[in-house]
Amino acid sequence: DSGVTQTPKHLITATGQRVTLRCSPRSGDLSVYWYQQSLDQGLQFLIHYYNGEERAKGNILERFSAQQFPDLHSELNLSSLELGDSALYFCASSVDPGGGREAFFGQGTRLTVV
Amino acid sequence: TQLLEQSPQFLSIQEGENLTVYCNSSSVFSSLQWYRQEPGEGPVLLVTVVTGGEVKKLKRLTFQFGDARKDSSLHITAAQPGDTGLYLCATYSGAGSYQLTFGKGTKLSVIP
Repeated sequence: DSGVTQTPKHLITATGQRVTLRCSPRSGDLSVYWYQQSLDQGLQFLIHYYNGEERAKGNILERFSAQQFPDLHSELNLSSLELGDSALYFCASSVDPGGGREAFFGQGTRLTVV
Repeated sequence: TQLLEQSPQFLSIQEGENLTVYCNSSSVFSSLQWYRQEPGEGPVLLVTVVTGGEVKKLKRLTFQFGDARKDSSLHITAAQPGDTGLYLCATYSGAGSYQLTFGKGTKLSVIP
């Protein structure tokens, strides 16, 4: 158990809908990273938050947004969903941003868009 | 964003064989991490290498960081079915090194 909790574990929704994925980092970790993992693209970095502030943005679509709340949990919002958004979404946390720190991953949310 | 190339993409071997997988970049790594991901789980850190030429061992796994810090390898001796999984290399890059970027990984299958 990494200590990172993601909910829900599985999500099936229709095209055009909006969903929210939730991540609770390990106790004491201030950094949260979001990733999308599909078969052909591997683990794609989406966004990084540190102590409530956005610190880095990857190839995140405009239809996707994220935030980190004062209690340090984070949410990833995916809207106007398309079939191609079907993937595993992982959240990871670390004690501070970057610098070679170990990132601890949750078990992921498997999103299926039908 | 630093691009990480991993090879081979897939590897299927018999139990007891040795293998090596590679991670390369055209840029110098500040540090490099190796993770293993099992089906249905998130990646788990195996090792972090920082110094050029560094060698680290974790039981039957040997990690090497190239002298120029542009490449790394993972060697597994006497592979076991429990070694099956996706092996990923990763590095922090971008402004402030806030972006943890992964290679596409090597999918290893060890057949009993």
